[in-house]
Parts: sequence; structure tokens; C-alpha cells
Amino acid sequence: EAQVTQNPRYLITVTGKKLTVTCSQNMNHEYMSWYRQDPGLGLRQIYYSMNVEVTDKGDVPEGYKVSRKEKRNFPLILESPSPNQTSLYFCASSLSTGANTEAFFGQGTRLTVV
Amino acid sequence: KQEVTQIPAALSVPEGENLVLNCSFTDSAIYNLQWFRQDPGKGLTSLLLIQSSQREQTSGRLNASLDKSSGRSTLYIAASQPGDSATYLCAVTDSGYALNFGKGTSLLVTP
Repeated sequence: EAQVTQNPRYLITVTGKKLTVTCSQNMNHEYMSWYRQDPGLGLRQIYYSMNVEVTDKGDVPEGYKVSRKEKRNFPLILESPSPNQTSLYFCASSLSTGANTEAFFGQGTRLTVV
Repeated sequence: KQEVTQIPAALSVPEGENLVLNCSFTDSAIYNLQWFRQDPGKGLTSLLLIQSSQREQTSGRLNASLDKSSGRSTLYIAASQPGDSATYLCAVTDSGYALNFGKGTSLLVTP
């Protein structure tokens, strides 16, 4: 089944403790991205990757890192999480960035930083 | 920067009604527009994708239209059912490669 898989689904952590949220897709998609969803603000892009070893900042990259060493994986790293990073995170992938490419989303990771 | 607005923010209708959700965007230079459904605690499910050169797309009881020049899209849901209750999100892709999302319309279909 074609899918985007995120882990973990739920995470509670303490301020400053490094964490990684994994994202994997099995559709051989070139384009992957991370979004966060906050009440009243909607979904905002954090980082994106056009292909292996190619990443760039989205609208809200501060406090996050990403890497794209393999085509299928695009982990999101929080080196020193803070409470304002408490949010619902989504990973997405698409075949490319063309007009006819549909975006597929993971199930989401609800992160709470205390 | 592209801004996407969805009206109404919330909608409650009785089962069986036809309904229209609205989406507007400020920059008409888009690649495509997608409508998504989001259920509580779950991810986003793509419903329809309209390329910038297209005027509408249909899938079952759903029909989405796109008027790029006026910066508007509508999602028409025919014969609504309680299972249609969810949040519906509109997103446009422009030259920045990001999906620019509206804040969504929360739909409740009552039996």
C-alpha cells in the first residue's frame, strides 16, 4: 500500500532533550516536506527536500533540522525542543512539484514539550 | 506571499443536503489546487487535485471547481452524509513549492 509513515504518533518530552521524528515513504517520491499545524495558524511548512541531499527552509524552520540521505526517508530533528514547538507535525511527499502531482500525508505526530 | 482563505469556518447541515465550501487565494500564479479532508487525530487525505489548466474535477459525490483568474475554488458535496463530517482543507501550490493551506472548514452533518 502506498503510504507515508511517521513515527512516533505521540510524543511527550522535556525542554532541551533532542528528539527525532521519522518519516518514510514507499512511493519513490522525489519531493518531501514537513509541516506543523497549530490552532488558528493552520498548516505551515517547516522544511522541504527536492531530492536526496537537497533540502531547504520553509516558512518556519527555526529550531528544526532535517536530512535526506536516502530518497525514502526524511527525518525531522529537534536539537533542543522548547514548549513553543508543541504542535501536530505532518510529513508529506509527492512525485515531483509539477502541476499534476498529488501530495500524500502521513498520519501526524503530536508532540508535547514540557 | 500567497494567502488562502476558506469560508465558512464551520458549517452544520442535516443529512441529505447539498453543500458548497469556498476557498480563495491571492496569487493566481498557481500550479495546482488540492482539497483535503482531515479527521480528528488522523492525517490529511487528498480528495481532489485540480491542475492550473483545469476548470473542475469530480470524484463520486464531490466536485471541485477552479477559477484561477478570480482566485477562487469551490468544493461541492452532494447528498451529504454523517460520514462526511470532518475538516476540509484547501491548499494551493505555487512557485515556492510549498502547499499553502487555508485554515479549513469544519463540517458537521447531522442525521
